[in-house]
Amino acid sequence: AQKVTQAQTEISVVEKEDVTLDCVYETRDTTYYLFWYKQPPSGELVFLIRRNSFDEQNEISGRYSWNFQKSTSSFNFTITASQVVDSAVYFCALTLYSSASKIIFGSGTRLSIRP
Amino acid sequence: DVKVTQSSRYLVKRTGEKVFLECVQDMDHENMFWYRQDPGLGLRLIYFSYDVKMKEKGDIPEGYSVSREKKERFSLILESASTNQTSMYLCASSPPVVGNTEAFFGQGTRLTVV
Repeated sequence: AQKVTQAQTEISVVEKEDVTLDCVYETRDTTYYLFWYKQPPSGELVFLIRRNSFDEQNEISGRYSWNFQKSTSSFNFTITASQVVDSAVYFCALTLYSSASKIIFGSGTRLSIRP
Repeated sequence: DVKVTQSSRYLVKRTGEKVFLECVQDMDHENMFWYRQDPGLGLRLIYFSYDVKMKEKGDIPEGYSVSREKKERFSLILESASTNQTSMYLCASSPPVVGNTEAFFGQGTRLTVV
């Protein structure tokens, strides 16, 4: 069975601290895609990144970075020098090539950045 | 700018009412989805549609039905609303193969059934 686990329900840090959001996934498929979405208070999910299972390169985009490790089935997300605008709920998600229309979401991590 | 638009941000309905949630996308996407979001449970798929008049059940279809008469519009119907259907409902759309691209989401409809 496929599953995405975000063990951290809520995280609260002070502005400018670094913070890592954990994501662990389960699948027996060899071809799959991993995503991170951000849901600000406005409610709309905003796409952040996509990774396919054959691309284990880490990615950095400004203050955001992602660490994909197939050996531990993890796809963690780090925000460096956090800002109040980073406060949101973050979702990790998994899609299988074999059932491409179904997106499996984790339960989300609520991140609060205190000024 | 690509857009998925849900007709209402907030709705309050009475138990037993028939409720329609509407979603429109302007990206000519084949796939459209309805999710339900509850605290601690993430997003759970109710139904999805991969073409006009085509639909498939997701993980929690009980108590819901859908309609897709036109490519750009996907409606979620609560046949007889109950208090346990109080939730945030999110619509999304995507091209045919979700893995090659992301899904695009609407702003959500927060439904309260009293």
